[in-house]
Amino acid sequence: DTAVSQTPKYLVTQMGNDKSIKCEQNLGHDTMYWYKQDSKKFLKIMFSYNNKELIINETVPNRFSPKSPDKAHLNLHINSLELGDSAVYFCASSLTGVGAQETQYFGPGTRLLVL
Amino acid sequence: QKEVEQDPGPLSVPEGAIVSLNCTYSNSAFQYFMWYRQYSRKGPELLMYTYSSGNKEDGRFTAQVDKSSKYISLFIRDSQPSDSATYLCAMSSYGGSNYKLTFGKGTLLTVNP
Repeated sequence: DTAVSQTPKYLVTQMGNDKSIKCEQNLGHDTMYWYKQDSKKFLKIMFSYNNKELIINETVPNRFSPKSPDKAHLNLHINSLELGDSAVYFCASSLTGVGAQETQYFGPGTRLLVL
Repeated sequence: QKEVEQDPGPLSVPEGAIVSLNCTYSNSAFQYFMWYRQYSRKGPELLMYTYSSGNKEDGRFTAQVDKSSKYISLFIRDSQPSDSATYLCAMSSYGGSNYKLTFGKGTLLTVNP
């Protein structure tokens, strides 16, 4: 009974392709996030959404476009994939998104490899 | 200089040892401090949260924050093989609706039976 799930778990693709990663949470949380963890293990926020509204948009190339069809889902679409996009992408959610003390629940990650 | 510095290790200890994990930071506005544990091929999970300075204890885990030195620590007593994971510190300067967590690189810990 996974709280935050992501599909696919692994994604191997060629440079220049377009791909999507899906995230769903069944915790009833209002806020969802996308993080990128690079090869050096740095975990960095990319986006956050609260009730389908974009809250945080870090300095991410506009090839990355998040979409939240409802508050339980936050998908990430990546256009024109580049080698440097290879990383593990984590989706997370938190109850309200208000307050740094609030627990963020992470999904298992999507391992993206761009060849 | 990165905002949050954390020695990536790896750190290898025998079972039962006391483990000390540390982060330093440069942003004096950070007030919220967290430790996340990440098992191999899994997402991070929140272990401890501390606001401002002081200590917090939870079972075998103790988190310490020294804001004057911009230094935070996580101590694990009586370490177990199940504690083998990467430990990430995280911090934030703001507690409102658009706060961001800034993570350290993580320290890879192995506890040997």
